[in-house]
Amino acid sequence: AQTVTQSQPEMSVQEAETVTLSCTYDTSESDYYLFWYKQPPSRQMILVIRQEAYKQQNATENRFSVNFQKAAKSFSLKISDSQLGDAAMYFCAYRSAGVAAGNKLTFGGGTRVLVKP
Amino acid sequence: GAVVSQHPSWVICKSGTSVKIECRSLDFQATTMFWYRQFPKQSLMLMATSNEGSKATYEQGVEKDKFLINHASLTLSTLTVTSAHPEDSSFYICSAVGMSWDNEQFFGPGTRLTVL
Repeated sequence: AQTVTQSQPEMSVQEAETVTLSCTYDTSESDYYLFWYKQPPSRQMILVIRQEAYKQQNATENRFSVNFQKAAKSFSLKISDSQLGDAAMYFCAYRSAGVAAGNKLTFGGGTRVLVKP
Repeated sequence: GAVVSQHPSWVICKSGTSVKIECRSLDFQATTMFWYRQFPKQSLMLMATSNEGSKATYEQGVEKDKFLINHASLTLSTLTVTSAHPEDSSFYICSAVGMSWDNEQFFGPGTRLTVL
């Protein structure tokens, strides 16, 4: 079974600065997807960014970018120019590309991001 | 974008009663819906996978007789917590996967259940 580990329970960043969240995963599969989700205080899960394992290029969405290291099984999220609205729980998630897996997501334990004004 | 709703958003019930939570995909047809449970300051734990017209598949350790899941249509799945007890108090989140959207899961806003 796949596991996803987020080693940082909490990260603090100054407004306008950059913060990087770590995520490692364990899998024997070669084809899969990785995601970062944001859960603000409203608790609505919001997709931040996704990465297909077969793509070497790191995904980017505005101020959010990832560093995907397939061999190291690492998938970190960088938030640039942090804003107060970025304060939330961030979850890293894994999804197998195999049909048998049924689109299930495996989540990491989460990292709380605090943004200081 | 794809919208998923949950109803109710918050429910309080007495111990021993049953509570039904609805999950609806508002602007797309969901072939699969997932039910998660989230305890305070913890991650999402998958409870079960619900496919339209078939029995739900429960994760290991989840009591299927306690958490009844029905996926009667392509836009509606329900989770019924039967004979609820205080330890069932939690935040329940559903998600839905459409026929397109590259199998992305769209999440509902969650339901907070408090059992007295």
